[in-house]
Amino acid sequence: SYELTQPPSVSVSPGQTARITCSGDALPKNYAYWYQQKSGQAPVLVIYEDSRRPSGIPERFSGSSSGTMATLTISGAQVEDEGDYYCYSTDSSGNHVFGTGTTVTVL
Amino acid sequence: EVQLVESGGGLVQPGGSLKVSCAASGFNFSGSAMHWIRQAPGKGLEWVGHIRSKPNNYATAYAASLKGRFTISRDDSKSTTFLQMKSLKTEDTAVYYCRWSKGGLDYWGQGTLVTVSS
Repeated sequence: SYELTQPPSVSVSPGQTARITCSGDALPKNYAYWYQQKSGQAPVLVIYEDSRRPSGIPERFSGSSSGTMATLTISGAQVEDEGDYYCYSTDSSGNHVFGTGTTVTVL
Repeated sequence: EVQLVESGGGLVQPGGSLKVSCAASGFNFSGSAMHWIRQAPGKGLEWVGHIRSKPNNYATAYAASLKGRFTISRDDSKSTTFLQMKSLKTEDTAVYYCRWSKGGLDYWGQGTLVTVSS
């Protein structure tokens, strides 16, 4: 079955840049989406269609995609950005899948 | 205001069945696809499946690992989608969320906990 692979964890100092990668064979043909999830809460969409930012999401969140890898960048990370991040996409058959998830620590 | 409210979770024995619901409001439910996602305790998100709208013949799709045991349906007159689960296993223990999205709009319910245990 189709898989989206992410690093298990990323650590960043406050004000620095965090980058989270998502690798998948179908990403060249399908959009990547990114979710942030804080403990005990439902996920929140922070990037859609590779690089578009929903209303209300801070500008420090940005996305890009090239070949089989999508990247979420948090520029000037803040303590409140800590949480789990998941990429999300579809495969060539239209099946949906979430990435393995990345825990972001800001300290 | 968009609202998604799941209900029907609870404790069920292995091998049993359970049907959870998601009541929607604040958007064109009948014209929308609806998704179900689950999250086991301490684990990541897993897409369960979706159901498309009437113009798309109410087509459904499921995660390969679940096919045959889970069925998604909808009642457009009640703006509600359902997830019927059968032959439940302990590994199906999870919070089950419904989700609606349209472009940059993306809404999830609060989730309903299903616990499969003897």
